[in-house]
Amino acid sequence: DTAVSQTPKYLVTQMGNDKSIKCEQNLGHDTMYWYKQDSKKFLKIMFSYNNKELIINETVPNRFSPKSPDKAHLNLHINSLELGDSAVYFCASSQDRASRSSYEQYFGPGTRLTVT
Amino acid sequence: AQSVTQPDIHITVSEGASLELRCNYSYGATPYLFWYVQSPGQGLQLLLKYFSGDTLVQGIKGFEAEFKRSQSSFNLRKPSVHWSDAAEYFCAVGIRTIKAAGNKLTFGGGTRVLVKP
Repeated sequence: DTAVSQTPKYLVTQMGNDKSIKCEQNLGHDTMYWYKQDSKKFLKIMFSYNNKELIINETVPNRFSPKSPDKAHLNLHINSLELGDSAVYFCASSQDRASRSSYEQYFGPGTRLTVT
Repeated sequence: AQSVTQPDIHITVSEGASLELRCNYSYGATPYLFWYVQSPGQGLQLLLKYFSGDTLVQGIKGFEAEFKRSQSSFNLRKPSVHWSDAAEYFCAVGIRTIKAAGNKLTFGGGTRVLVKP
């Protein structure tokens, strides 16, 4: 059973388009995250949700809008895609947001977004 | 500000040889430290963690890491590498915030390990 799953795995689109990436976890965790990994493998947190509530927003352009319909799902919608948005986007989850277990994060396989 | 530095971008090691990956951190308080591994085309997996206590911590897949406060380091080691250890390795520091804000991880730039037969 996949613990954290993301769809799609690959996404190729043109500048200016709007796209969404979906994430689901079946671990019973209450905190979920979106990370961006750039071409140099640098990994940076974008957002964090706890029980459908946004708790971390790391100065990401407002073209990026996360949505959490329930605590097992966290989707990422990107408007007006730009070339610089090309990256691998990882979803992750953890138990709790403020205890030590919050650092033990389970990552999805990633979505490789290519903007042409 | 907190930061994590992994000085080695690439390391090539022969199968069966020992491996050591360097990690230095900057953090104003006692750090929580982690190593994650990313196999090709996969997400990250937690290898090991340090919160307090014994400075030598054991992880999965035969890895260990040693916390040295005086050197602000948390180096990862494995006595004998296997071809399946070829991957990208990330060191991270756990940033503690107020409860309402949520904790988060700050990652280093990663070290790619190549294993020669």
